[in-house]
Amino acid sequence: NAGVTQTPKFRVLKTGQSMTLLCAQDMNHEYMYWYRQDPGMGLRLIHYSVGEGTTAKGEVPDGYNVSRLKKQNFLLGLESAAPSQTSVYFCASSQLGTGYKGRNEAFFGQGTRLTVV
Amino acid sequence: GNSVTQMEGPVTLSEEAFLTINCTYTATGYPSLFWYVQYPGEGLQLLLKATKADDKGSNKGFEATYRKETTSFHLEKGSVQVSDSAVYFCALIPLIQGAQKLVFGQGTRLTINP
Repeated sequence: NAGVTQTPKFRVLKTGQSMTLLCAQDMNHEYMYWYRQDPGMGLRLIHYSVGEGTTAKGEVPDGYNVSRLKKQNFLLGLESAAPSQTSVYFCASSQLGTGYKGRNEAFFGQGTRLTVV
Repeated sequence: GNSVTQMEGPVTLSEEAFLTINCTYTATGYPSLFWYVQYPGEGLQLLLKATKADDKGSNKGFEATYRKETTSFHLEKGSVQVSDSAVYFCALIPLIQGAQKLVFGQGTRLTINP
């Protein structure tokens, strides 16, 4: 059971370059999330999606775009990378709805370490 | 707003020591509470959870009790092992309709020495 898979695992970009991070989940989850993890700051939500074709802004959305064209995939794009976007990026998914009990565990991918030079 | 505050790390203990990592939260209503663990080089894994007041979550010898009166969810383990070395995150999901998003604390790095 693959769970949540992120690609790539590592990437180095030059300032101004663009790239797309891919997240795929095989659990038929409705919700998907992109977080960034920075030292001493925990995980901060960038964007999230509550279902196929939907996206919404999280806590730190600036400089990122996302798309959820298929239920199982959630793409995170950086149009013009900046050194401040150097971070570890985590994708997560969960089967959450308006009824929360027993269905609100989030599953995480292994992360993508991105360095912008 | 919703927020989670964890005790600052890093925390270094000897094997078989007693562990407490403090976590307090601010949220509207009664959120669900979680502890996630991140082992070196890996993603986050759910360690335990509690969905209502006085619930006790437990797993792998770790425990945490949902204390509504003190808005706390402290993580404890009676005898830690070297393999418990990891970063631990306290998190909550607010009890609201619609989108439910995990809110994380800043993480506490735990190192257990043999």
